Amino acid sequence: QVQLQESGPGLVKPSETLSLTCSVSGDSMSGNYWSWARQPPGKRLEWLGYIHYNGNTGYPPSFRDRVTISIDTSKNQFSLRLNSVTPADTAVYFCVRGSPVALDWGQGTLVTVSS
Amino acid sequence: EIVLTQSPATLSVSPGEGATLSCRASQSVSTNLAWYQRQPGQAPRLLIYGAFTRATGVPARFSGSGSGTEFTLAISSLQSEDFAVYYCQQYNDWPPTFGPGTKVDIK
Repeated sequence: QVQLQESGPGLVKPSETLSLTCSVSGDSMSGNYWSWARQPPGKRLEWLGYIHYNGNTGYPPSFRDRVTISIDTSKNQFSLRLNSVTPADTAVYFCVRGSPVALDWGQGTLVTVSS
Repeated sequence: EIVLTQSPATLSVSPGEGATLSCRASQSVSTNLAWYQRQPGQAPRLLIYGAFTRATGVPARFSGSGSGTEFTLAISSLQSEDFAVYYCQQYNDWPPTFGPGTKVDIK
């Protein structure tokens, strides 16, 4: 069974870039879609985008100008970069196998945006 | 974006009883709807996709139904591990969107 684990800084300053990595174990990344989602405190889950094993990406219009998802199959990892963060980007960030249906999820990591 | 509404916000149920959760979409999503369970401190888990297809390993006491704009997740005979928050997600339109969740707690 695939396991996903998010890693990265838990605190990011406003206007800086949030960077997270998801390590995948227990299954090959081949042929799969890999995604990121987040849940701000007290708010709904939000889809941040996906990347296919072949490198194709898709982002929601509301995040398209700030989000980049990349993949490194040699390391069994994929990553999220969110630019120009504000306190509104404070959330639990999840890495996910699958898109648009989230087949497997990481535990999530809390990222706080604050000076 | 398609907006999903879930009701009730909280459902109090005794162990062994059944529960029915609702999800309504602001426009038709056909059967492109999934349900997820999130237990405290754990990763979310896919329960149902395609409105009624159980994901691998999901017990038969979970069943999904509906199409268009009205959907239901039914849980028969709740077990201790079923007390959690349940989210619906539509994936008929991009981007996928989620409902606010229904919390099922112990009565």
